[in-house]
Amino acid sequence: GAVVSQHPSWVICKSGTSVKIECRSLDFQATTMFWYRQFPKQSLMLMATSNEGSKATYEQGVEKDKFLINHASLTLSTLTVTSAHPEDSSFYICSARGGIYGYTFGSGTRLTVV
Amino acid sequence: KQEVTQIPAALSVPEGENLVLNCSFTDSAIYNLQWFRQDPGKGLTSLLLIQSSQREQTSGRLNASLDKSSGRSTLYIAASQPGDSATYLCAVYNTDKLIFGTGTRLQVFP
Repeated sequence: GAVVSQHPSWVICKSGTSVKIECRSLDFQATTMFWYRQFPKQSLMLMATSNEGSKATYEQGVEKDKFLINHASLTLSTLTVTSAHPEDSSFYICSARGGIYGYTFGSGTRLTVV
Repeated sequence: KQEVTQIPAALSVPEGENLVLNCSFTDSAIYNLQWFRQDPGKGLTSLLLIQSSQREQTSGRLNASLDKSSGRSTLYIAASQPGDSATYLCAVYNTDKLIFGTGTRLQVFP
């Protein structure tokens, strides 16, 4: 079945630094990947749609200069949180279109900015 | 704008009970609907996918139905077990995006 690998699973960083999160489709090619953000006890909010070989499409209210997305290959998309601040602390999840269920999700990354 | 709501927000039941989780959406022009399970601090596990031409899907003790005209889906869990404790999310396909519901936190106690 389709597997999406997301790394790291958790990361703690200092305020002002940048953090990169990777999302890989292991056994299928994904021309489109999605990045979500989830606050505690809340649902997932779509941040952006990542398209291989082109610029990402960001949802309204998401700062594209803060959340840099790169989708350089058919199996890898990255999300870089630049100049992170404590309010960026959240759970970030990626997904890719593929597999029998249509969408397959990564295991998520818990980001804590101190 | 598509909005997806789930009722109840939380549910606590004894082991063995049959459960119904509800999902409603405001725009019936959806492609598919998908149910997920999320354990605390974890990613999402796909449970069932109902395509727009289908009315229900079954997997083991799970059965999901879809009524596009009324904008509703239900997830039926038979003979609940403590291992079923998790948050259940429904999501509708809106063009190429998944729009998630608010979730139902389920706790099944022995």
